[in-house]
Amino acid sequence: RKEVEQDPGPFNVPEGATVAFNCTYSNSASQSFFWYRQDCRKEPKLLMSVYSSGNEDGRFTAQLNRASQYISLLIRDSKLSDSATYLCVVNKVKAAGNKLTFGGGTRVLVKP
Amino acid sequence: EAGVAQSPRYKIIEKRQSVAFWCNPISGHATLYWYQQILGQGPKLLIQFQNNGVVDDSQLPKDRFSAERLKGVDSTLKIQPAKLEDSAVYLCASSFRPGLADSSYEQYFGPGTRLTVT
Repeated sequence: RKEVEQDPGPFNVPEGATVAFNCTYSNSASQSFFWYRQDCRKEPKLLMSVYSSGNEDGRFTAQLNRASQYISLLIRDSKLSDSATYLCVVNKVKAAGNKLTFGGGTRVLVKP
Repeated sequence: EAGVAQSPRYKIIEKRQSVAFWCNPISGHATLYWYQQILGQGPKLLIQFQNNGVVDDSQLPKDRFSAERLKGVDSTLKIQPAKLEDSAVYLCASSFRPGLADSSYEQYFGPGTRLTVT
């Protein structure tokens, strides 16, 4: 089983609709979580950090469910510009440092 | 604030040749990461430095890949000799300093180097 798993999609979303997708992680000791956005042929950019039960930033809401070991990202009122790949990152702090593991990404296509 | 700088942006080499990539992290960022991203996949960590020390290189193919961060600032990743399967984007990222706060693990990425091995 992969440490961090995401549905690769694509999620085809009508403009203005709401879309949500999950990221599951296998290591229960994971401590912090991040969502990155990656546009085609570009570098990943930090979208949201999730340190406790969740976080909200405008149209984007991230929720953490430690019992079931997943985090979710919800996008409300989708815009064409939200089309991208969304990468989940799980951070585990160790004695010698920390370990960040990326999921494979979920592709979202917002259509008019 | 200047972002993470990487060079070159693109590189085409033949198999068995060698190649080197350079990264300069955001000023003051103690942690530097090198990732390999194959098309359609998420980034895979190759090596992580804390200042000039290696924190994690468990996924670095050490028979052909090497990396250094001698002065704790910029870093070089080398592949020698390259194989066809090394074709990928090599991303460098940096973060502030682990342990001070959860936010110190937030990574900032450079534009990447797109490597094609023929």
